[in-house]
Amino acid sequence: EVQLVQSGAEMKKAGESLKISCKGSPNSFTRHWIGWVRQMPGKGLEWMGVIYPDDSDTRYSPSFQGQVTISADKSLTTAYLQWSSLKASDSAMYYCATPRDSDSSGPFDYWGLGTRVTVSS
Amino acid sequence: QSALTQPASVSGSPGQSITISCAGARSVFGNYDLVSWYQQHPGRAPRLLIYEGIKRPSGVSDRFTGSRPGNTASLTISGLQSEDEADYYCCSFTSRNIWVFGGGTRLTVL
Repeated sequence: EVQLVQSGAEMKKAGESLKISCKGSPNSFTRHWIGWVRQMPGKGLEWMGVIYPDDSDTRYSPSFQGQVTISADKSLTTAYLQWSSLKASDSAMYYCATPRDSDSSGPFDYWGLGTRVTVSS
Repeated sequence: QSALTQPASVSGSPGQSITISCAGARSVFGNYDLVSWYQQHPGRAPRLLIYEGIKRPSGVSDRFTGSRPGNTASLTISGLQSEDEADYYCCSFTSRNIWVFGGGTRLTVL
């Protein structure tokens, strides 16, 4: 069973930087796409982007391109979602997720529990 | 506003069947075979119900059925139970090689 362990809740101020993490299972991490999904309070799911840790191939939704950076560290079997300058509108729950199959970027069979990010203005 | 359109809400009584639609332009859907459906209970992470339009992952009840009629995708839940009350999202792989979620549908079991 694949497990994704996300970092804890964050409370930040607008303008600050932030990097949240998602640690995957060592035996499957490198060759499975891992993605990030945003859910703003009371709103729906938004697909942000995915990364293939083995070669760092990354794809972003146009809505999030340039707004966040997705990265991965193979040695730590951990994926990251990073902001250089947070906005209040970045306040949301962020889920990492990964597909069962290694040859596809989706759908997402396994999900982390989420990291809540709260940004005050 | 999502490129995949779902009804905001549906409702049904226990034992009944309901269907949730997911409509989008061909350019968004890309490959109708790659539509998936997720269930999300309040405060919980989403759960994959259907993938490749019609397939169920291991452990998902056969009360959940996916279909691909025409240029839409649909999720049918038969024999409604109280625990089915949740939000449901369709998701499609697009011609841009990225995925996109529908806006979500709130299911209320009366």
